[in-house]
Amino acid sequence: QVHLVQSGAEVKKPGASVKVSCKASGYTFAAYYIHWVRQAPGQGLEWMGVINPSGGSTTYAQKFQGRVTMTRDTSTTTVYMELSSLKSEDTAVYYCAKDRGSAYFFDYWGQGTQVTVSS
Amino acid sequence: EIVLTQSPGTLSLSPGERATLSCRASQSVTSNYLTWYQQKPGQPPRLLIYGASIRATGIPDRFSGSGSGTDFTLTISRLEPEDFAVYYCQRYGYPPPTFGQGTKVEVK
Repeated sequence: QVHLVQSGAEVKKPGASVKVSCKASGYTFAAYYIHWVRQAPGQGLEWMGVINPSGGSTTYAQKFQGRVTMTRDTSTTTVYMELSSLKSEDTAVYYCAKDRGSAYFFDYWGQGTQVTVSS
Repeated sequence: EIVLTQSPGTLSLSPGERATLSCRASQSVTSNYLTWYQQKPGQPPRLLIYGASIRATGIPDRFSGSGSGTDFTLTISRLEPEDFAVYYCQRYGYPPPTFGQGTKVEVK
């Protein structure tokens, strides 16, 4: 069965960076894109970007260009999302989500990682 | 970028009632590339419907999706206690995928 297990909660100061991991199991890692979606407190879902685990290519939402980096480690079937220059508005739950193929919709989700940005 | 507008914002219903949720797109959605997700507090979203009307694996048949072009509907035929949640529609197929703002289905 498919599992996406994310790293634990983080508390960061404004201006710092955060790196969240997402370990995938139960399927062929290289065959399906992994996306990152975030949800601010009481708000809706916001797509941040996607990585193709096969070659490592990425596409980022324009809003996060220059601030987000997505990488993968095929040896451990883990995807990483690093967000820099953190602001209080980046306080949110960050989810990784598996694409059904390369269709840009999400059939399995990680449990979420709370990132809190506070001075 | 296609904007998805969901209505109503909140739907107050009783168990056993029928729920009808709307998702309207600012432009026609290519090939009906429209999904619906359910999210309960403290949990990640769960895929319900893709391709506007195809139920995902394990989704009960009381959930159905319909529509095309710019107007889409999620119908829950008879609400079960576990169906009270927030529902999001999403346009997919190419980046950036976009979400509606959500409809909360609450107990009346």
